[in-house]
Amino acid sequence: GAVVSQHPSRVICKSGTSVKIECRSLDFQATTMFWYRQFPKQSLMLMATSNEGSKATYEQGVEKDKFLINHASLTLSTLTVTSAHPEDSSFYICSATRGSGGEQFFGPGTRLTVL
Amino acid sequence: AQSVTQPDIHITVSEGASLELRCNYSYGATPYLFWYVQSPGQGLQLLLKYFSGDTLVQGIKGFEAEFKRSQSSFNLRKPSVHWSDAAEYFCAVGAGGSYIPTFGRGTSLIVHP
Repeated sequence: GAVVSQHPSRVICKSGTSVKIECRSLDFQATTMFWYRQFPKQSLMLMATSNEGSKATYEQGVEKDKFLINHASLTLSTLTVTSAHPEDSSFYICSATRGSGGEQFFGPGTRLTVL
Repeated sequence: AQSVTQPDIHITVSEGASLELRCNYSYGATPYLFWYVQSPGQGLQLLLKYFSGDTLVQGIKGFEAEFKRSQSSFNLRKPSVHWSDAAEYFCAVGAGGSYIPTFGRGTSLIVHP
């Protein structure tokens, strides 16, 4: 149990376009989902925390208008990278928790390449 | 704010050899400490965690870690490494009892046959 999926696993887009990444908890209801960004050979950086039905809480330095997060249901959160630029190229990872606090279960990540 | 240092970017061991991955943290109080493993194309998997109590923590896949407050360390160990252990390993610290940890930059484990 506690499986988290992400779609797509890889995406290549042109500069200026928007890209949506989905994060799903497959066998549990996720009250809280998290979005991370991982640069090559670097640690995961928390971008935002989202709770179902409410606005996401963004970490300092993360542009909320650029990285739109929607947590419309207890099993789905989406991250939309708007007007993507090459510097947005990265590995994006989501995670989910079953209850308030508690262990995070991570998705496999999405590799975004902006040309 | 808390921070984590993993001093080794790469570690190479022979299959069957013992392993120790280093992790040092910075946090004023007793932290929550985690080790995660990330295989290519897969998400992070929790190997073990320390919250309180016994400072030697047993995890999955034969891993263990020891919390040493005097050294601010939480090193990960395995007595005999298998080729399937090759992956990226992340140490993480959660401050104030938080399950939302701050991650180290990771150590890449390479296993030679």
